[in-house]
Amino acid sequence: KQEVTQIPAALSVPEGENLVLNCSFTDSAIYNLQWFRQDPGKGLTSLLLIQSSQREQTSGRLNASLDKSSGRSTLYIAASQPGDSATYLCAGRAQGGSEKLVFGKGTKLTVNP
Amino acid sequence: GAVVSQHPSRVICKSGTSVKIECRSLDFQATTMFWYRQFPKQSLMLMATSNEGSKATYEQGVEKDKFLINHASLTLSTLTVTSAHPEDSSFYICSAERTSGTDEQFFGPGTRLTVL
Repeated sequence: KQEVTQIPAALSVPEGENLVLNCSFTDSAIYNLQWFRQDPGKGLTSLLLIQSSQREQTSGRLNASLDKSSGRSTLYIAASQPGDSATYLCAGRAQGGSEKLVFGKGTKLTVNP
Repeated sequence: GAVVSQHPSRVICKSGTSVKIECRSLDFQATTMFWYRQFPKQSLMLMATSNEGSKATYEQGVEKDKFLINHASLTLSTLTVTSAHPEDSSFYICSAERTSGTDEQFFGPGTRLTVL
């Protein structure tokens, strides 16, 4: 059974800092991994999707990596801004492609002006 | 592209009533849609997988007679919470997966249900 863990649960940084959010998963037979952003009381916005054959994906100031052998993914945010403040969730999808997404509990990020 | 809408965004109802929540993929076709529930400060928990034209697949512990799912078209799935009770109060979020694509799920904005 796939379990996804995100550490830390909360993170507060000053504006402009580069930061890394961590996600670990127990089953290395992962089909893909997605990073999402959730603002308070809102739905999820997909940030990056990494397929099992890929090692990283980049979008603007965001870079996500995937290391299946170690069961880890990281989300790197460069030059953080107050508008980046949100909860970041990672979710893994098992092999087969038709399996459900298993979510971590998220990391609540606060970027202080 | 890949926009998913939910209606209503917020609903308050009395205990014992039924509430229907709609999930629509606005600019793509979705053979599969998913319904999640999220409690405060918790992650999303999958309730059921909805497939167009067939019965939904429910996760263990989710009562199919209480949470009725209908996926009548490639752009619409509905979740009906029957005989709602205060413990059903939660944030319900749907997602949709393109009929053809990268298996990426796109999420709706969520529905806040409060049962009095």
